[in-house]
Amino acid sequence: DVKVTQSSRYLVKRTGEKVFLECVQDMDHENMFWYRQDPGLGLRLIYFSYDVKMKEKGDIPEGYSVSREKKERFSLILESASTNQTSMYLCASSSPTSGGAYEQYFGPGTRLTVT
Amino acid sequence: KQEVTQIPAALSVPEGENLVLNCSFTDSAIYNLQWFRQDPGKGLTSLLLIQSSQREQTSGRLNASLDKSSGRSTLYIAASQPGDSATYLCAVHPGAGSYQLTFGKGTKLSVIP
Repeated sequence: DVKVTQSSRYLVKRTGEKVFLECVQDMDHENMFWYRQDPGLGLRLIYFSYDVKMKEKGDIPEGYSVSREKKERFSLILESASTNQTSMYLCASSSPTSGGAYEQYFGPGTRLTVT
Repeated sequence: KQEVTQIPAALSVPEGENLVLNCSFTDSAIYNLQWFRQDPGKGLTSLLLIQSSQREQTSGRLNASLDKSSGRSTLYIAASQPGDSATYLCAVHPGAGSYQLTFGKGTKLSVIP
């Protein structure tokens, strides 16, 4: 089974702090994603990566950056945390199946609170 | 721009009932469609993936169908149980060359014992 793990389930940080969220997948997937999920807004894509050291902006990249130095690890960085970044953060990975479809697998999520 | 809609936003049914969750999308040129389950405060669990060339997929009490031409998918749950209570989301993959999924906002299902 594919396993996607995230470094923390719950995190509380102060405004202005630099925050690192780590994600690791164990299935040699090419693609990795960071989403945030907020009530009423659904899932929104922040960044994704289709290869080591490659990244693409999603729908809401402002205030975030990412790093992918190794294929299995994708990090989300909040350079200077703000209260409007309080949210559930979800990491996912995917690769094409034998039929060419891209099935996404998600981690357990990190509930980040910025005070 | 692809839009995915799930109606209703919430659904409550008595235990044992068969039910159907709906998902519609505006652009029929999709690569595949995926159904997920999300329990409160948790990540998403993949339930079923339907490739664009397929009409349906089954896993246990779950059956998902896809009608690309009409822009619709349904998730059928047979003999519902309280443990099926969760939010169900559908997501479409737009096609080769794109890695992003477009998600619906989900249907929150409550199965009453």
